[in-house]
Amino acid sequence: ETGVTQTPRHLVMGMTNKKSLKCEQHLGHNAMYWYKQSAKKPLELMFVYSLEERVENNSVPSRFSPECPNSSHLFLHLHTLQPEDSALYLCASSQDRRFPGNTIYFGEGSWLTVV
Amino acid sequence: DAKTTQPNSMESNEEEPVHLPCNHSTISGTDYIHWYRQLPSQGPEYVIHGLTSNVNNRMASLAIAEDRKSSTLILHRATLRDAAVYYCILRGFDNNDMRFGAGTRLTVKP
Repeated sequence: ETGVTQTPRHLVMGMTNKKSLKCEQHLGHNAMYWYKQSAKKPLELMFVYSLEERVENNSVPSRFSPECPNSSHLFLHLHTLQPEDSALYLCASSQDRRFPGNTIYFGEGSWLTVV
Repeated sequence: DAKTTQPNSMESNEEEPVHLPCNHSTISGTDYIHWYRQLPSQGPEYVIHGLTSNVNNRMASLAIAEDRKSSTLILHRATLRDAAVYYCILRGFDNNDMRFGAGTRLTVKP
């Protein structure tokens, strides 16, 4: 138990569906992250939120839409995805993103399959 | 961004020490060296990190070269549960997000 909880753990969706992934952290952190891990590829940093403001968007297609309503919650809204978007989506959090000595804590991930 | 280089894979026998190397020749003076590992079907987990001095914790030890251009993660007695992909990552004040490379896949043989 890392203190970062992701739901659902598994999701199957059609290409025309709209779904959301949810992440909640119980660590009192003020930075949250979305990562994508495709099969046999390194983790890719998608979005970074610090103090509820998006500070980074790494050329992610607009069919992925993040939302951070408060420092404890992070969502990834999904719509009109493609089969190649099937991957493990990982949420993480850290205390004070600006300090590089801080530890980042990851959730267990949400396995997404787009059919 | 400062890059790290790790071997793609390593093997170890159970109950023996494991030394996982990482080269980071372009490291800057304020870059921290972080190690994470990812067990199958799980998110990455923190192992250890350091700046200049060697570090020890209950999971592992981190040996940092004097010129800081390389480091070694040491697992003192490998267990089957240590089989994972190990990532060496640099984070500094100008590149302070955690960006992962391919890591080293460690196989532990009984």
